[in-house]
Amino acid sequence: SQQGEEDPQALSIQEGENATMNCSYKTSINNLQWYRQNSGRGLVHLILIRSNEREKHSGRLRVTLDTSKKSSSLLITASRAADTASYFCATPPDSSYKLIFGSGTRLLVRP
Amino acid sequence: DVKVTQSSRYLVKRTGEKVFLECVQDMDHENMFWYRQDPGLGLRLIYFSYDVKMKEKGDIPEGYSVSREKKERFSLILESASTNQTSMYLCASRVDSSPLHFGNGTRLTVT
Repeated sequence: SQQGEEDPQALSIQEGENATMNCSYKTSINNLQWYRQNSGRGLVHLILIRSNEREKHSGRLRVTLDTSKKSSSLLITASRAADTASYFCATPPDSSYKLIFGSGTRLLVRP
Repeated sequence: DVKVTQSSRYLVKRTGEKVFLECVQDMDHENMFWYRQDPGLGLRLIYFSYDVKMKEKGDIPEGYSVSREKKERFSLILESASTNQTSMYLCASRVDSSPLHFGNGTRLTVT
């Protein structure tokens, strides 16, 4: 079973709008990571939020973490066509060495 | 910048062939991983290695083996390729519990 599940599976927005993606997970974690994948390429790490943090920013990215609900959200503000990609959350369940990935959210930003 | 290089972007093999997928990283990372990615299933961990000659099974090791003779190189071996192993294969590396650095992937087709 998957540790992380992203929601929605697909999202289509207009350039300039904000995009919000959600991730739920099942076990206790010490951090949660978000990755981006352009079509046909490898994943690129975007941001890591630790379990004792509630919110973190990096440029146009804002990540929140609610450990009581076992959920996280990724907000991309003022989206651009170049933000078109798949976005994945990943967690190390029970502080293990593994990273478990969800099935991702496909974001399309229309020019 | 960390560079993770996968030897082939595209590979076509026949059923029953022995297939080697090679991955090299240039940052002296202890940990290396092999994932496969399929539509709707996200990334699933096949094997990982935390040191030279050390390996551990991931979630879907059946039909695969790995080799890590040198720290920078981690090979995934399909002993007898089957059509259900047609997939995108992603190699990644990291130090300790830092975020993963991914290669660009190998898209393998088994006919």
